Amino acid sequence: TAGITQAPTSQILAAGRSMTLRCTQDMRHNAMYWYRQDLGLGLRLIHYSNTAGTTGKGEVPDGYSVSRANTDDFPLTLASAVPSQTSVYFCASSEDGRAPYNEQFFGPGTRLTVL
Amino acid sequence: GQNIDQPTEMTATEGAIVQINCTYQTSGFNGLFWYQQHAGEAPTFLSYNVLDGLEEKGRFSSFLSRSKGYSYLLLKELQMKDSASYLCAAVDSNYQLIWGAGTKLIIKP
Repeated sequence: TAGITQAPTSQILAAGRSMTLRCTQDMRHNAMYWYRQDLGLGLRLIHYSNTAGTTGKGEVPDGYSVSRANTDDFPLTLASAVPSQTSVYFCASSEDGRAPYNEQFFGPGTRLTVL
Repeated sequence: GQNIDQPTEMTATEGAIVQINCTYQTSGFNGLFWYQQHAGEAPTFLSYNVLDGLEEKGRFSSFLSRSKGYSYLLLKELQMKDSASYLCAAVDSNYQLIWGAGTKLIIKP
């Protein structure tokens, strides 16, 4: 079982360009999440989705958008990238976003550099 | 505001025991997770506590005191492969995880 896959593994992007980070899970989990991880800071939630067709804003949603057309896929789009969006992006999923004891499973991450 | 505090870095010797502390302040509380993250890799689940007390799982144990807003992760019989960052995350009233910055554990032979 693949679990969660993310693409690309890494990317260098010019400021002002748009980009979509892809995330797919094969565990049939209802909830999915996008985090960014920066040195010296904890993981910060960008957007989440508790079930297909619904999304919600996390702690740092500005400059990012998501969609959840089906259970498996949860793409993250940067409409016009800025250097402060340079980070490592992790996608995660859990069985039920409204059950606090459900662990989150993480993808391998996408390392994004915006120049 | 919501806040998670844990030490930035700790050093321990192979075969020894180390305790990594975490204090939290969240709006509501629905449990606390510990994750392990090796450099350049994704976080992986270690433990979840919601009730006060110690939960043991092999060489790793996790403790929670809800009244003190405090948790610790205890690692016994340290091995070189335990060199990693350990992330503490509290579940708030909206069932979102609030993450600490992580504790980098360095194991020396």
